[in-house]
Amino acid sequence: QKEVEQNSGPLSVPEGAIASLNCTYSDRGSQSFFWYRQYSGKSPELIMFIYSNGDKEDGRFTAQLNKASQYVSLLIRDSQPSDSATYLCAVVPSGGSYIPTFGRGTSLIVHP
Amino acid sequence: EADIYQTPRYLVIGTGKKITLECSQTMGHDKMYWYQQDPGMELHLIHYSYGVNSTEKGDLSSESTVSRIRTEHFPLTLESARPSHTSQYLCASSERPERSGELFFGEGSRLTVL
Repeated sequence: QKEVEQNSGPLSVPEGAIASLNCTYSDRGSQSFFWYRQYSGKSPELIMFIYSNGDKEDGRFTAQLNKASQYVSLLIRDSQPSDSATYLCAVVPSGGSYIPTFGRGTSLIVHP
Repeated sequence: EADIYQTPRYLVIGTGKKITLECSQTMGHDKMYWYQQDPGMELHLIHYSYGVNSTEKGDLSSESTVSRIRTEHFPLTLESARPSHTSQYLCASSERPERSGELFFGEGSRLTVL
């Protein structure tokens, strides 16, 4: 069973809309959660992290964490074509290795 | 700003050649990683290191080897390259454990084995 699950997409939204990306994880003891953005042909770059239940906002991005339901989401408000990329969810599981586990990513397409 | 460098960026070689992909970081990070990623596919962890003289194999079985003699340097070596090794190799680093999920990635080394 994959430890971090994401819908591969593509998720297609119109410019200016809210894009909602979801991620579920299997290790209930996981403590830290991350969202990376990867443009085609480029390396992943960290855009958000969240450690506590609830919402964390940074500009147009909001990360939401619900540990009881074991999901983390990323909302992108006022989506722009430049947001078109693959978004990777990463989770640091319990157990002490501190090695993040990545999901396979969701492809987001923002069309004008 | 992340300072992690990979060389070469692109490499085309013949089967059976020995290659070393270089990765260096100037941030003093203890943890370093090597990932393999095919186009449009997920990241696969192939090696990681907690610090000098520490190396571990990742989730994906790999014929490559790594070394960590200096904090800043984490090279990956393929003794005899094969076409199945054709892929993008990404090096990353992170700092102390409580921020271990905050990875800084290099630009990658795209390897093609003919």
